Amino acid sequence: GENVEQHPSTLSVQEGDSAVIKCTYSDSASNYFPWYKQELGKRPQLIIDIRSNVGEKKDQRIAVTLNKTAKHFSLHITETQPEDSAVYFCAAGRGGNEKLTFGTGTRLTIIP
Amino acid sequence: GAVVSQHPSWVICKSGTSVKIECRSLDFQATTMFWYRQFPKQSLMLMATSNEGSKATYEQGVEKDKFLINHASLTLSTLTVTSAHPEDSSFYICSATGLAGGTGNEQFFGPGTRLTVL
Repeated sequence: GENVEQHPSTLSVQEGDSAVIKCTYSDSASNYFPWYKQELGKRPQLIIDIRSNVGEKKDQRIAVTLNKTAKHFSLHITETQPEDSAVYFCAAGRGGNEKLTFGTGTRLTIIP
Repeated sequence: GAVVSQHPSWVICKSGTSVKIECRSLDFQATTMFWYRQFPKQSLMLMATSNEGSKATYEQGVEKDKFLINHASLTLSTLTVTSAHPEDSSFYICSATGLAGGTGNEQFFGPGTRLTVL
């Protein structure tokens, strides 16, 4: 089955700086890679996703890059703000209604 | 659009009792629903995949007789924790995906149910 590794487990960034979180996956058949933000006690919220037919996707301050050959994908948050503080999870799956395998999570803290 | 609800949001029960958690897709037809368990400061661990009208597919290590899943309609799936014990205390979250071309690949998550077994 799929195995997703995520690094780092914790990340502290000065407000206004950039944050990068990296994930690797093992199943070459995976072609859907979402990123979720979860605040304490709340549901995961999709912040951006990418499919295997593109290498990069951007939405305002958030971007995701995908390297299918190396089987890794990364989340980039620029101009970080205090409200970006949360736990971020990457995930990988085969798309459609197939299951997702989640990474272990990164606790991001933005220092004012 | 694409709203998923869960009920109850929290429940406290005595050891040995059963607890039922409902997951509903409010504005779309959920062909597939997923049940996750999340322990404090840990990731989401998939317990089972549920397709409407068929038996759930359980992940390795998840006891199907203990965690009963029913997906009787395109808008409702239930998870029943039978004979709950303190080690079953956790945050249970469901998610749902819809028909192809509608919601696509995205899984929409419910708000979660915090189960505490005394």
